[in-house]
Amino acid sequence: AQSVSQHNHHVILSEAASLELGCNYSYGGTVNLFWYVQYPGQHLQLLLKYFSGDPLVKGIKGFEAEFIKSKFSFNLRKPSVQWSDTAEYFCAVNAFGQAGTALIFGKGTTLSVSS
Amino acid sequence: GAVVSQHPSRVICKSGTSVKIECRSLDFQATTMFWYRQFPKQSLMLMATSNEGSKATYEQGVEKDKFLINHASLTLSTLTVTSAHPEDSSFYICSATGGRVTGELFFGEGSRLTVL
Repeated sequence: AQSVSQHNHHVILSEAASLELGCNYSYGGTVNLFWYVQYPGQHLQLLLKYFSGDPLVKGIKGFEAEFIKSKFSFNLRKPSVQWSDTAEYFCAVNAFGQAGTALIFGKGTTLSVSS
Repeated sequence: GAVVSQHPSRVICKSGTSVKIECRSLDFQATTMFWYRQFPKQSLMLMATSNEGSKATYEQGVEKDKFLINHASLTLSTLTVTSAHPEDSSFYICSATGGRVTGELFFGEGSRLTVL
């Protein structure tokens, strides 16, 4: 069965610190990978996605993620966080090449950035 | 990107009543829609998958008689929570795909249901 594991439940950082959130997935096939962000009281927003090609993906707001196939990982990074990055971050996966498949989400990581 | 809209964004109802939540794809035809449920501080749990014109496929543990899903057109899916109880209070989120191979989903704003 497909599953997504996010190792960090709650991360607390100061502004300007670097961020890396872990994500590992389990799936018996080729996948699409996503990172979503949910700001307090708001809906999900797509940060970035990986379908194929360059495993280093750049998204919005200075975020990037690297797909390492051998490690089944898709970690999210940002070199310097801001207070406004305080939010819930979700890693998600679905099956590549199969139209209309649901996303399976990790449990999420809460990021708290202090100014 | 494509736009998915949910309505209402917030609803409060009395225990025992039914509540309908609508999910619309505004600028594309959604061949498949998904309904998720999110409890506070938790992840999104897939409830069901609906394809236009056919019955929804429910995930294990989701009561199909309680959570009625209708996907009557390519732009509209509805979730009806029947005989709602306080434990049904949650954040319900729909998402849609136009059936493209890339598999990207587009999410609605979510609907917060509070059952008193």
